[in-house]
Amino acid sequence: EVQLVESGGGLVQPGRSMKLSCAASGFTFSNYGMAWVRQAPTKGLEWVATISYDGSSTYYRDSVKGRFTISRDNAKSTLYLQMNSLRSEDTATYYCTRDGGFAYWGQGTLVTVSS
Amino acid sequence: DIQMTQSPSFLSASVGDRVTINCKASQNINKYLNWYQQKLGEAPKRLIYNTNNLQTGIPSRFSGSGSGTDYTLTISSLQPEDFATYFCLQHNSFPGTFGAGTKLELK
Repeated sequence: EVQLVESGGGLVQPGRSMKLSCAASGFTFSNYGMAWVRQAPTKGLEWVATISYDGSSTYYRDSVKGRFTISRDNAKSTLYLQMNSLRSEDTATYYCTRDGGFAYWGQGTLVTVSS
Repeated sequence: DIQMTQSPSFLSASVGDRVTINCKASQNINKYLNWYQQKLGEAPKRLIYNTNNLQTGIPSRFSGSGSGTDYTLTISSLQPEDFATYFCLQHNSFPGTFGAGTKLELK
C-alpha cells in the first residue's frame, strides 16, 4: 500500500525557516517524480514544487522561487521542502504527492506563519 | 497556467440523489482530468483519472465524462459517506492546476 506521511509543520514567525519532510513507502520511490501542493485555509489547492525522480530537475511556482527548495533522498525514500523567508501568505496545509497523475497524497502538515 | 473553473461551489443534496459537478478548463486539456474527494483532515483521494477511468476500489456510482475543455463528475445515487469536498485537477500541461472545489452537503 502506498503511503506518504508528511511532518515538520507548525507555527513559525515571518521571515524564519522551516523544513518539511515526506516519508514514502509502498512503492519504489526512486522511480517517481514527486511534488508539493498546498492549500491555504478556506482556499483551493495550488502546486508548489516538483522534483524529478533522480533529483536532477526541480520546478517552482513563481511566488516561492528563490525561497523554497525541494529535494529528495532516494536512499531514505524521503522528500523535503526547505522553506526560507516565510510569509503570512505561505500559511497552508502542505501535501506531498506522487507526480505522474497525482494518484497518491499524504494527509498534509499545517504550516502557520504568524508573529 | 491553465485555469480550471469548477461549479458549483456548494451543492446541497439528499441521500439517493444524482448530482453532477463540472470543471471547465481555459484551454483543451486532452482528457487529462482527475477528480478527487477530500474529507476534513484526510488526504485527497483520487476517484477518477483521465476523465473517465475509475480508480481501483471506488464505487461504480462515481463516473466521469468530458472532452476538450468541459468535464463532469457524476454521482448516480448519493450515499451518506459521499458528503465531502470534490475537486478537479488538470495534468495535461505543467504545472497541474486545480478547480476551487465543490462542497457537497446534506440537505
